[in-house]
Amino acid sequence: EPEVTQTPSHQVTQMGQEVILRCVPISNHLYFYWYRQILGQKVEFLVSFYNNEISEKSEIFDDQFSVERPDGSNFTLKIRSTKLEDSAMYFCASSEQGLSNQPQHFGDGTRLSIL
Amino acid sequence: AQSVTQLGSHVSVSEGALVLLRCNYSSSVPPYLFWYVQYPNQGLQLLLKYTSAATLVKGINGFEAEFKKSETSFHLTKPSAHMSDAAEYFCAVSDRSGGGADGLTFGKGTHLIIQP
Repeated sequence: EPEVTQTPSHQVTQMGQEVILRCVPISNHLYFYWYRQILGQKVEFLVSFYNNEISEKSEIFDDQFSVERPDGSNFTLKIRSTKLEDSAMYFCASSEQGLSNQPQHFGDGTRLSIL
Repeated sequence: AQSVTQLGSHVSVSEGALVLLRCNYSSSVPPYLFWYVQYPNQGLQLLLKYTSAATLVKGINGFEAEFKKSETSFHLTKPSAHMSDAAEYFCAVSDRSGGGADGLTFGKGTHLIIQP
């Protein structure tokens, strides 16, 4: 069964440094998402992406965050200047058509640790 | 704004016993509803979804959930728990009017513990 893959599984970064999290969505899916889960808290929506532009974003997704589809397969989340509070598990997801009744398929996540 | 409440951050049942994980939503228009499971060190896997067809939805691994509009609930059940069911379970909603691009709203999750 096709799956969403994320790399790396664990990223350790010094505060203030830039970090890029990578995702390969399912190949025929058109909508892509990033979520984060701070330890002990809910999974929170960050951003959705379709047709090479942001569709929706939450209040969390401020100017330090950006997303990109640099080629036909990868989907990246960049955090420009990391803060301690960015430490979390980041999940990438994709869906076939982005309809609200369609399930989103999640990757295994990247655990980001900011020192 | 929608919200999802999962009662009980931890639920412990004996192997072979009934599993009941509770989920309530707050939305004036019934949303689309999903249950996801997360095994240790893995991503979120879809268990089942409610998209306004049958109110009783069957999913993978013997789980099912019933949508009750009058109670704004979508509780997850399994008749007989297995050790392999130990995991974190998340209820999530999707706003019908917002379109899928809005993203899912998740509950806090329920950690299911299976006692031998």
